[in-house]
Amino acid sequence: EVQLVESGGGLVQPGGSLRLSCAASGLSFSRSWLHWVRQAPGKGLVWVSRIGPDGSATTYADSVKGRFTISRDNAKNTLNLQMNSLRVEDTAVYYCTTLQAGGIWGQGTLVTVSS
Amino acid sequence: DIQMTQSPSTLSASVGDRVTITCRASQSVSISLAWYQQKPGKAPKLLIYMASTLQSGVPSRFSGSGSGTEFTLTISSLQPDDFAAYYCQHYISYPYAFGQGTKLEIK
Repeated sequence: EVQLVESGGGLVQPGGSLRLSCAASGLSFSRSWLHWVRQAPGKGLVWVSRIGPDGSATTYADSVKGRFTISRDNAKNTLNLQMNSLRVEDTAVYYCTTLQAGGIWGQGTLVTVSS
Repeated sequence: DIQMTQSPSTLSASVGDRVTITCRASQSVSISLAWYQQKPGKAPKLLIYMASTLQSGVPSRFSGSGSGTEFTLTISSLQPDDFAAYYCQHYISYPYAFGQGTKLEIK
């Protein structure tokens, strides 16, 4: 079964850090372009970041540029998102996904930034 | 950056109705356009990519059309399982962007 499973979400204070992970199974992970998409409570979907198959091509939304870092470990079939200098407005469910290339999504992990 | 605008934001319809959701891009995205369905508390589900190609396993009552800046998602005969939120998303260039969503409600 093709599956993406996120982990690492939780409650963090403003200015804090959190590292999300996404474990993949059943897909050609090392050939896949992967993305993080987030959804604030009651709001729409927002694209956050992407990474190419070998990890060399990374892109970020302006809202997270300089604070978030996407990375991957193809040996472990794992995608990561290091989130630093977190803000209240980063509160959201974070999904890892292949988007239109196969339409595979994880179940999401909730990040809450609050004092 | 390319902005995506969906209309309407909310749509009330009945089982059996034919419904259409529109998505407009602020500049051409060619056919690099996908549609997703999302139910409360669940991850989005890919319905259509390349503007009109049905994702495997998606019922044929769903269809997509358009190119350039104007796109439509049509559900030919609404089923109870179709009441959900729908999003369009372009992938012509970064940053990718989603429309704000259309909530399809039972009338």
